[in-house]
Amino acid sequence: EPEVTQTPSHQVTQMGQEVILRCVPISNHLYFYWYRQILGQKVEFLVSFYNNEISEKSEIFDDQFSVERPDGSNFTLKIRSTKLEDSAMYFCASTGSSYEQYFGPGTRLTVT
Amino acid sequence: RKEVEQDPGPFNVPEGATVAFNCTYSNSASQSFFWYRQDCRKEPKLLMSVYSSGNEDGRFTAQLNRASQYISLLIRDSKLSDSATYLCVVVDNYGQNFVFGPGTRLSVLP
Repeated sequence: EPEVTQTPSHQVTQMGQEVILRCVPISNHLYFYWYRQILGQKVEFLVSFYNNEISEKSEIFDDQFSVERPDGSNFTLKIRSTKLEDSAMYFCASTGSSYEQYFGPGTRLTVT
Repeated sequence: RKEVEQDPGPFNVPEGATVAFNCTYSNSASQSFFWYRQDCRKEPKLLMSVYSSGNEDGRFTAQLNRASQYISLLIRDSKLSDSATYLCVVVDNYGQNFVFGPGTRLSVLP
């Protein structure tokens, strides 16, 4: 069964450093998303991406964040200068035409 | 961004019990609705889509009431493995906005 994959599973970084989180969506899906979930809190939408551009972004997705689809398979989330409050689980997801969204296993980001 | 609200929980029920979760959403233009389950420190997994006519998948039944902007999930004959957090998800803007509810935690006890 096709699945969304994410790397790394855990990333530890120092405050102010840049991180890139990687995702490989399901191959025939067209819509891609990033979410974050702070421990014990709800899943929060960050950004949606379609046809090589951002479709929608939340107020969380400020200038420190960017997304890219550098080739036909990868979808990345970059945080330019990490803050302590960026520590969270980051989930990538993709959907096909049915809006049924499939999530990757997540990357746990710890900012120290 | 419009909100999605769920029963605060947690729900602690014995094996075999029937349990119902409720969800309300505020954006009347929402188009699609789903229930996901999330196990501790894992990703959300799609449980089922929710249709206006109601739909059933084994022990799980989902209902949508567009007029009341209300979604429900019923679990019959609950199993220990049903223990998880159940997330109500509402989709707006033709698939561009997926709004997650805060989740309702279920513990099924032996």
